[in-house]
Amino acid sequence: LAKTTQPISMDSYEGQEVNITCSHNNIATNDYITWYQQFPSQGPRFIIQGYKTKVTNEVASLFIPADRKSSTLSLPRVSLSDTAVYYCLVGEGINYQLIWGAGTKLIIKP
Amino acid sequence: NAGVTQTPKFRILKIGQSMTLQCTQDMNHNYMYWYRQDPGMGLKLIYYSVGAGITDKGEVPNGYNVSRSTTEDFPLRLELAAPSQTSVYFCASSWEQGSHEQYFGPGTRLTVT
Repeated sequence: LAKTTQPISMDSYEGQEVNITCSHNNIATNDYITWYQQFPSQGPRFIIQGYKTKVTNEVASLFIPADRKSSTLSLPRVSLSDTAVYYCLVGEGINYQLIWGAGTKLIIKP
Repeated sequence: NAGVTQTPKFRILKIGQSMTLQCTQDMNHNYMYWYRQDPGMGLKLIYYSVGAGITDKGEVPNGYNVSRSTTEDFPLRLELAAPSQTSVYFCASSWEQGSHEQYFGPGTRLTVT
């Protein structure tokens, strides 16, 4: 069964780039890697998803090395409003085993 | 388009009571999920459904039941509430299994005393 590991917390400052890494051993070859953001008292919100190499959207980039045993969520030029908990999610498409990371609490300082 | 809605927002139950958490989505998604999130922790999958009439257990199904009679609704039933079921419950839906882009409801905060 795939297992994910993320740092418990991270601090950064406004305007900086923040990188959060998730390790996922035993991820199956057909798994997507997905990242979510969660604010207090709200449900998680989808940020970005990828299968390999690099994916970029209007809010983040996702870097996935060739062995796919980890992934890195990159948030460019963070602001105070990016303070949240970030979760990685991997799964197995056929058996639908969803494996959520424990979350990384990101605190952005002025 | 309301997305995923959940009722109630808050509930306090006594030990042994029963209740149903309601979840409705208006996006015509086939896949729906129930999660629980304990304070300061990540999400744990309770049950999921890949379509009307089809449900399956997730990581922590004990003490819960679900049904999926329509595409839109996916209620979660607690039969004999226990303090260990105190948590925030999230319902989510998605288009397809291969993509894990899920849309979450606002959650139901449940306390069992």
